[in-house]
Amino acid sequence: SAVISQKPSRDICQRGTSLTIQCQVDSQVTMMFWYRQQPGQSLTLIATANQGSEATYESGFVIDKFPISRPNLTFSTLTVSNMSPEDSSIYLCSVVGQIDQPQHFGDGTRLSIL
Amino acid sequence: QKEVEQNSGPLSVPEGAIASLNCTYSDRGSQSFFWYRQYSGKSPELIMFIYSNGDKEDGRFTAQLNKASQYVSLLIRDSQPSDSATYLCAVKNNQAGTALIFGKGTTLSVSS
Repeated sequence: SAVISQKPSRDICQRGTSLTIQCQVDSQVTMMFWYRQQPGQSLTLIATANQGSEATYESGFVIDKFPISRPNLTFSTLTVSNMSPEDSSIYLCSVVGQIDQPQHFGDGTRLSIL
Repeated sequence: QKEVEQNSGPLSVPEGAIASLNCTYSDRGSQSFFWYRQYSGKSPELIMFIYSNGDKEDGRFTAQLNKASQYVSLLIRDSQPSDSATYLCAVKNNQAGTALIFGKGTTLSVSS
């Protein structure tokens, strides 16, 4: 399966600031997704990153808060904007290589907001 | 609202026993079913997937699917302490572009 690199692996940020998380894959993939995992909880899908167009957001998530880019088939970014303590979570990039293959996850970004 | 339900546990089994993890789902259009293992502080790791009714075996792991009952399970034979983790059930509708829907996970503890 593809090697998925996420950066940064962790960060501690101040309230009101923004952080951009990068997801780089070592091969072209058909689908890229961003998930959030709050402490002690399961994974919640934030959005599907669409190559060359606007991401598709799930209910409860908006572009102004979580802008996403996907300029090509191997790279995507998620920005967490105007952060508050409630945004403290693990953010996970997930990819599908070919359309009928399973999803695989990057190592995640552990984000804490003070 | 598409839902995936799992018993949160913890499920405690002695070393060498069979651990049985269960999952039900609400979307009858679901076509693909996955089990991920997540160790504390780590990201989910795919361990099994199943698409057809019946059993699928891979080493000590067996996935079982019953689409009529909207039920999928994971059996772990000869459980080891290293199997102690949270097991996430995930389902997919298979429409183009859809992502996985995850359950809340079952925490398994294998005691030596």
